[in-house]
Amino acid sequence: EPEVTQTPSHQVTQMGQEVILRCVPISNHLYFYWYRQILGQKVEFLVSFYNNEISEKSEIFDDQFSVERPDGSNFTLKIRSTKLEDSAMYFCASIPGVADTQYFGPGTRLTVL
Amino acid sequence: GESVGLHLPTLSVQEGDNSIINCAYSNSASDYFIWYKQESGKGPQFIIDIRSNMDKRQGQRVTVLLNKTVKHLSLQIAATQPGDSAVYFCAEKGAAGGGNKLTFGTGTQLKVEL
Repeated sequence: EPEVTQTPSHQVTQMGQEVILRCVPISNHLYFYWYRQILGQKVEFLVSFYNNEISEKSEIFDDQFSVERPDGSNFTLKIRSTKLEDSAMYFCASIPGVADTQYFGPGTRLTVL
Repeated sequence: GESVGLHLPTLSVQEGDNSIINCAYSNSASDYFIWYKQESGKGPQFIIDIRSNMDKRQGQRVTVLLNKTVKHLSLQIAATQPGDSAVYFCAEKGAAGGGNKLTFGTGTQLKVEL
């Protein structure tokens, strides 16, 4: 069964550094999402992406964040200058169509020191 | 603001018993609900969904009930097994102005005791 994959599984970085989190959505999917989950808290929406542009973003997704689909398979989340409070699990999700259920990847644990 | 939340943070059940996990939502415009299971260190795993035009939906060992009158959602797991131990989240989609994003509740930790 096709799955959403994410790399790396764990990323450790210094405060102020840039990080890029990578996702490979399921191949025939058209809508892509990033969520984050701070330890012990609920999953929070960051951004949705369709047709090579952001379709919706939350207040968390400020100017430090950006997303890109550089080729036909990868979907990336970049944090330009990481802060301590960016430490969280970041999940990618995708769906084939707007009415479908989102399927999540295994997540990347980001630790900002 | 609108929110989706869970009543019980932790639920302990004996193996073989039935489990009921509850969720309250506040946005009456929500029209689609999903239950996810999250095991430690993993991403949310889809369990079952229900649309607002339904009251009940059954899957394999799981049933979701929707009561729109009191804005309440529940997940029933029959014959709970140790592998069911996880955090369970309800999520809402399709609320007015909410686009396609999911709004998650705070989660319930299900512990299955042998």
